[in-house]
Amino acid sequence: QQQVKQSPQSLIVQKGGISIINCAYENTAFDYFPWYQQFPGKGPALLIAIRPDVSEKKEGRFTISFNKSAKQFSLHIMDSQPGDSATYFCAARSIGSARQLTFGSGTQLTVLP
Amino acid sequence: NAGVTQTPKFRILKIGQSMTLQCTQDMNHNYMYWYRQDPGMGLKLIYYSVGAGITDKGEVPNGYNVSRSTTEDFPLRLELAAPSQTSVYFCASSTGQANNSPLHFGNGTRLTVT
Repeated sequence: QQQVKQSPQSLIVQKGGISIINCAYENTAFDYFPWYQQFPGKGPALLIAIRPDVSEKKEGRFTISFNKSAKQFSLHIMDSQPGDSATYFCAARSIGSARQLTFGSGTQLTVLP
Repeated sequence: NAGVTQTPKFRILKIGQSMTLQCTQDMNHNYMYWYRQDPGMGLKLIYYSVGAGITDKGEVPNGYNVSRSTTEDFPLRLELAAPSQTSVYFCASSTGQANNSPLHFGNGTRLTVT
């Protein structure tokens, strides 16, 4: 079974701090790695995504770092804000599948004011 | 623009009862998906469809059925509800035209089976 392992399960950060969430995968046939953000009572929504031919992608305060050789990727949230408090899921998409995503187990982020 | 709409938002079922979770999207997306979300387990794919009349099993299809008679609708059927089906169910859709086409999720249906 293809797997994406995510850590930590929960994370508490002070306002203005850096939040870091890590994911590792086992299947080398993944070719697209998105991160989804989920607020309570809502469905997940795409936050940022990266392809394995680049090592980093930045959008505002959110950065994905990708290490292809180690099969790891991480989400960095700079200057974390209370409004960033949510559950974050990493995911990976298999080559040739019907656009199926394999999700990590999720990280509940709390940013304290 | 409503996006992906799921009904009902909440439901309590007794063991052995059946129900249909409704999902409709107004974005003319060909690809649609059903996921279940359990605490600490992420999202697991139940069934998916790449177009009207075409469905296929995902990672956890047992106990569920789907149909796709139109592009817009993708209902999920539970025939004999079991406590293990207590979960939050999410429907999603995408264009599927490129590897980076994002999933658009509904707001979920919280189902409790007692």
